[in-house]
Amino acid sequence: SQQGEEDPQALSIQEGENATMNCSYKTSINNLQWYRQNSGRGLVHLILIRSNEREKHSGRLRVTLDTSKKSSSLLITASRAADTASYFCATDAAGTASKLTFGTGTRLQVTL
Amino acid sequence: EPEVTQTPSHQVTQMGQEVILRCVPISNHLYFYWYRQILGQKVEFLVSFYNNEISEKSEIFDDQFSVERPDGSNFTLKIRSTKLEDSAMYFCASSEMGVRQPQHFGDGTRLSIL
Repeated sequence: SQQGEEDPQALSIQEGENATMNCSYKTSINNLQWYRQNSGRGLVHLILIRSNEREKHSGRLRVTLDTSKKSSSLLITASRAADTASYFCATDAAGTASKLTFGTGTRLQVTL
Repeated sequence: EPEVTQTPSHQVTQMGQEVILRCVPISNHLYFYWYRQILGQKVEFLVSFYNNEISEKSEIFDDQFSVERPDGSNFTLKIRSTKLEDSAMYFCASSEMGVRQPQHFGDGTRLSIL
């Protein structure tokens, strides 16, 4: 599998529920970031977690990082219809200064 | 809030023609990037640019591709002789410093090769 794979590929939930997306990667990293992409638009940065951090919060977002398992999760609490988008993790491998490698993405659909 | 702008939003070009995609990064950012996203696939890194030179590039970024910062505000991606498989969304991004900081993306240029 490739660096940065999310699961599930698609997730459909109702408004108010929590959404959890997972990301796995293969090489050692410096940081892991999560981005969101609305249909037909560019990516929007959500949160960055450094390799020496285990958990980070930002509003309704909670990100965890387990470097021993080379995995991360993004939790969106109390989801809203406006959260409908694709979510990507992105890693910068140890030894790179400027290259981000994106995962395959999770398509989140939040229905009313 | 400052943003990255890309033009045109959609470019249709005949195979074999040269195409230039333009980007205006955020003004105080020092690192600039190009990515592409083929329909339904993941975002792929093409090249990063810092201090007027390429910092890193991927295997996709072959001799047909070039980047330039012709003045203090624009950042361009040129594809010399386009192929059908170059059809994709091309995203420009910038960051204050390198990859350890968030990248800010434009809304992309949809390139269609006929």
